[in-house]
Amino acid sequence: EIVLTQSPATLSLSPGERATLSCRASQSVGSFLAWYQQKPGQAPRLLIFDASNRATGIPARFSGSGSGTDFTLTISSLEPEDFALYYCQQRNYWPRTFGQGTKVEIK
Amino acid sequence: QVQLQESGPGLVKPSQTLSLICTVSGGSIRSDTYYWSWIRQHPGKGLEYLGHIYYSGSTYSNPSLHSRATISVDRSKNQFSLKLTSVTAADTALYYCATDTSGSPWYFDSWGQGTLVTVSS
Repeated sequence: EIVLTQSPATLSLSPGERATLSCRASQSVGSFLAWYQQKPGQAPRLLIFDASNRATGIPARFSGSGSGTDFTLTISSLEPEDFALYYCQQRNYWPRTFGQGTKVEIK
Repeated sequence: QVQLQESGPGLVKPSQTLSLICTVSGGSIRSDTYYWSWIRQHPGKGLEYLGHIYYSGSTYSNPSLHSRATISVDRSKNQFSLKLTSVTAADTALYYCATDTSGSPWYFDSWGQGTLVTVSS
């Protein structure tokens, strides 16, 4: 099974700052990687698919990059509603797998 | 817009069978566009993909479940279901049904609200 390792586990930032989240795959997943945001008591929300494509309705401050084994989610300027958990997920191999998550918290 | 709603018992005894239903609205379970999936989240933990069913009836279950999972579809009710046998405390989790509606298979853009299942005697 493909293991996705996210770093850091927790990111402490202030509103307006730039957030950079990392996801590393145990083997190449091509560009078949997505990012999700999850807030307490809510289901995950798809942000980015195929490494760099924003899902419908996702603000332009969210961007994704990378391919192969190393991927990055960038939030250019944190809004108050962006403080949440973020997960990556690969769809290149079975079973589909998720990273363990990065928590973006208010500093 | 496809909407999903999980239902089922919140408490299951160890060694028994967990049974959940996902009711689909705003779309047809017969559609060849969607794969209907189950995903769970252990308390305070990450997400685990459990399996899926396609409109044709073909299914996939995560090997980590050791053949304990059965996913089926009820076309007359526009529902699909998950049965997990021989449950233990390790199966205590928030269970989601989900699907991909954006045209990019296996990226989940439609989720139910989740249902918490506790395995305890």
